[in-house]
Amino acid sequence: EVQLVESGGGLVKPGGSLRLSCAASGFTFINYDMTWVRQAPGKGLEWVSSISSRSSYIFYADSVKGRFTISRDNAKNSVFLQMNSLRAEDTAVYFCARAENSGNYYDMFVLGPWGQGTLITVSS
Amino acid sequence: QSALTQPPSASGSPGQSITISCTGTRSDVGGYDYVSWYQHHPGKAPKLMIYDVSKRPSGVPDRFSGSKSGNTASLTVSGLQAEDEADYYCSSYGGRNNVIFGGGTKLTVL
Repeated sequence: EVQLVESGGGLVKPGGSLRLSCAASGFTFINYDMTWVRQAPGKGLEWVSSISSRSSYIFYADSVKGRFTISRDNAKNSVFLQMNSLRAEDTAVYFCARAENSGNYYDMFVLGPWGQGTLITVSS
Repeated sequence: QSALTQPPSASGSPGQSITISCTGTRSDVGGYDYVSWYQHHPGKAPKLMIYDVSKRPSGVPDRFSGSKSGNTASLTVSGLQAEDEADYYCSSYGGRNNVIFGGGTKLTVL
């Protein structure tokens, strides 16, 4: 069974930093691209960042570019999101998701299994 | 790039069919056949229901179907069941190494 478990959420002050982790199991992690998506309270889903299977390609939403860094450790079946210079508008549940398929570039953006998310609250 | 446009709510009785629209531009929905639909029960993990406009992942009932015409994609749920009540989000490849989501539609089964 595919499982994605996010951790690292919590309360942080504006300007602070936080590192999210997503532990994957139940599939060959190195074969799949991974993505972070967030959902602010009462709002819809927002794509945050994606990383290809071997970290060759990394993409960010404009809203987080320069502040967030996605990375992965294929030996540990984990993907990470380092979040710096956090703002109130970054408050959200952050989900990690695996690409549904592996094969071509566009597969990166089709999100198959998702985790249940971890809540980040940015507030003073 | 702006979020894709979805109706905020939709409803239907058990057994009926409903269709949820998702409108973008020719830079996203209209330009690529990479539209996906996700079902989200609040507090749970979102679930992929449709990808590449009309493909169903393994395990998704064939009551769920997708289509696209021009800049608008659609998700149809036939034979509505109580467990279909959830939030539904469309997404599209955005043309700039990114994904754009819709604002979400809350589906109520009456």
